[in-house]
Amino acid sequence: AQSVTQPDIHITVSEGASLELRCNYSYGATPYLFWYVQSPGQGLQLLLKYFSGDTLVQGIKGFEAEFKRSQSSFNLRKPSVHWSDAAEYFCAAIYTGTASKLTFGTGTRLQVTL
Amino acid sequence: KAGVTQTPRYLIKTRGQQVTLSCSPISGHRSVSWYQQTPGQGLQFLFEYFSETQRNKGNFPGRFSGRQFSNSRSEMNVSTLELGDSALYLCASSLSTSNTEAFFGQGTRLTVV
Repeated sequence: AQSVTQPDIHITVSEGASLELRCNYSYGATPYLFWYVQSPGQGLQLLLKYFSGDTLVQGIKGFEAEFKRSQSSFNLRKPSVHWSDAAEYFCAAIYTGTASKLTFGTGTRLQVTL
Repeated sequence: KAGVTQTPRYLIKTRGQQVTLSCSPISGHRSVSWYQQTPGQGLQFLFEYFSETQRNKGNFPGRFSGRQFSNSRSEMNVSTLELGDSALYLCASSLSTSNTEAFFGQGTRLTVV
């Protein structure tokens, strides 16, 4: 079945520390891949996307993600976390033949300690 | 340019009632998708509309329906509300069904009591 897995439900990092949020996708063909961020009570904001080509993609707010086909992964990274990065992060995929339907992971809640 | 606008932001309804939620996409965007977000099930796809036609549908009962108007605005309707329908309903718009960059509204928080 087409699915997206985010193994970490909750992560806590100190401000200024580096961050990596994990994401794995299922299915044979590489889907389009996305990372979204959601602040409490808000909608989703697109951080970055991967369709093809360069496996390291840059996004907004200093985030980047690396696509690794061999590991079916699309992990999100940030070199230095700011307190304002505290939010919930969702990895999502659009699989072939599903038009623009996003399949979301369960999300990772990021807490930033000062 | 204005973003995706969802109205109302908050709703409280009683079991058995019906509710209609509205979504105005970004100007020029013709595809509108709806998602339900709950703590237990996460973000789940409801349906997608493009040019007033439903193009894709998620695994929800027939009580959930939608439509799209000629100006691309969309509404979703939930009839015979159940407690489990309490959720944040998010609308996303994109240029077309083949354009995969979706922009989300702030959502409508529906509480069923």
